[in-house]
Amino acid sequence: AQSVTQLDSQVPVFEEAPVELRCNYSSSVSVYLFWYVQYPNQGLQLLLKYLSGSTLVKGINGFEAEFNKSQTSFHLRKPSVHISDTAEYFCAVSANSGYSTLTFGKGTMLLVSP
Amino acid sequence: DAGVIQSPRHEVTEMGQEVTLRCKPISGHNSLFWYRQTMMRGLELLIYFNNNVPIDDSGMPEDRFSAKMPNASFSTLKIQPSEPRDSAVYFCASSPRVGNYGYTFGSGTRLTVV
Repeated sequence: AQSVTQLDSQVPVFEEAPVELRCNYSSSVSVYLFWYVQYPNQGLQLLLKYLSGSTLVKGINGFEAEFNKSQTSFHLRKPSVHISDTAEYFCAVSANSGYSTLTFGKGTMLLVSP
Repeated sequence: DAGVIQSPRHEVTEMGQEVTLRCKPISGHNSLFWYRQTMMRGLELLIYFNNNVPIDDSGMPEDRFSAKMPNASFSTLKIQPSEPRDSAVYFCASSPRVGNYGYTFGSGTRLTVV
């Protein structure tokens, strides 16, 4: 089975500052990794995904994440955040085989203030 | 594409009543997932279907919960009888196939059992 740990439940940051949201995973098999964003009263929207290939993955809205197999991490970064990035961010993992499903972390609330 | 469509968006019901949540997945997606989101437990997978067949329902909390997928374009999640602890946001998601790609989520149904 897979598990995900998001180390910060809340990250406050000022507008135009850089941000990193941390995610670590645990799995005995190869994995696919995902970041989702949830705006208030909405469903989850896929930000980016790592399936294979380059360990640096670029997503929508200027976000990127880097897969680090040795540290079992998949941290999400953005060089300059906007007020509109205020939302909850979920890291998710899926085993790279068979009937595998997404396991989500508890989420990190990104709070961007002016 | 209209995305994953869930109904109703909000449901308030009295304890003991039957509740039915509905989901229409994206056309052509072969996998459908029901998740429950609460503050305490985050996002939990309740059940998922592949080609209309239930594959894993180990996340269904009790016999009071049941799910069906009579065809490729419709699924229901039923709670009978409902209890206050069932209050949560229930999400439906679909995917081209299990595990290998990011899911598309619906907007969710916010269920309140009083």
